[in-house]
Amino acid sequence: GNSVTQMEGPVTLSEEAFLTINCTYTATGYPSLFWYVQYPGEGLQLLLKATKADDKGSNKGFEATYRKETTSFHLEKGSVQVSDSAVYFCALSAHASGTYKYIFGTGTRLKVLA
Amino acid sequence: EPEVTQTPSHQVTQMGQEVILRCVPISNHLYFYWYRQILGQKVEFLVSFYNNEISEKSEIFDDQFSVERPDGSNFTLKIRSTKLEDSAMYFCASSEEEVQETQYFGPGTRLLVL
Repeated sequence: GNSVTQMEGPVTLSEEAFLTINCTYTATGYPSLFWYVQYPGEGLQLLLKATKADDKGSNKGFEATYRKETTSFHLEKGSVQVSDSAVYFCALSAHASGTYKYIFGTGTRLKVLA
Repeated sequence: EPEVTQTPSHQVTQMGQEVILRCVPISNHLYFYWYRQILGQKVEFLVSFYNNEISEKSEIFDDQFSVERPDGSNFTLKIRSTKLEDSAMYFCASSEEEVQETQYFGPGTRLLVL
C-alpha cells in the first residue's frame, strides 16, 4: 500500500541554520509528492511539489527533490527564519477510482529561535 | 488569489447531535475532498467527490457521514449523530480538472463533540 514516513519532531533550530526534514514513501506506481505547511491556527498551504523522478520543487527558499532510487522527498532550506516556524507535512498523491487522494506523513513541527 | 473557504471555523456540539460543515471550493474546481486531523495525529482522507457523486471514501467515512453539493458553490459534510471521537479538525480541499492531483485546502473547521 501507500504510505509516507516523516522524521519525528519537534525540530528546533536557530535563525539562519540549515534545515532538513526527511520524508520517505512507499507507493504503487509513481505518485506526485508534496510538502504542505501549517502555520499556527491556520490550514494546510501547498509549499512545493514534484510530479516525477528527479524533479525539484522549490518555493520561498525551500527545496525538495523527488528521488525514486531512495524513495525520498526531503525538504531543505539553507537559512531558516523565525517565520518558518510551523508544522510541515509530506504527502503523496494516490490515484484511485478516477480521483486522487493524499496520504500524509505525521507532520514535523519546526521551531526557529531568534 | 482564489482560495477555499470553510464555515464555521469552530463548532461545539453535544454527542448525538447532527452537524453540517460547509465549504466553498475554488470556483472553477471540479473535484472536492474532505480530510480530518485528530489532534496530534495525521491528516486522514475521508472522501472525494466529483460530478455529484462520491468517487472514493475511506473506512472512516461510515454511514454517519454524508456529503452533498447542494448548489453551484457549496460542498458540505454532514455527520448525523456525532460521537466523541469525531472531535477533530476537518479540512475541505478542491482541485481543478487539468491539475487534478494538486489539492488546495481550506483553513479547516475545528469540531469539538462533548
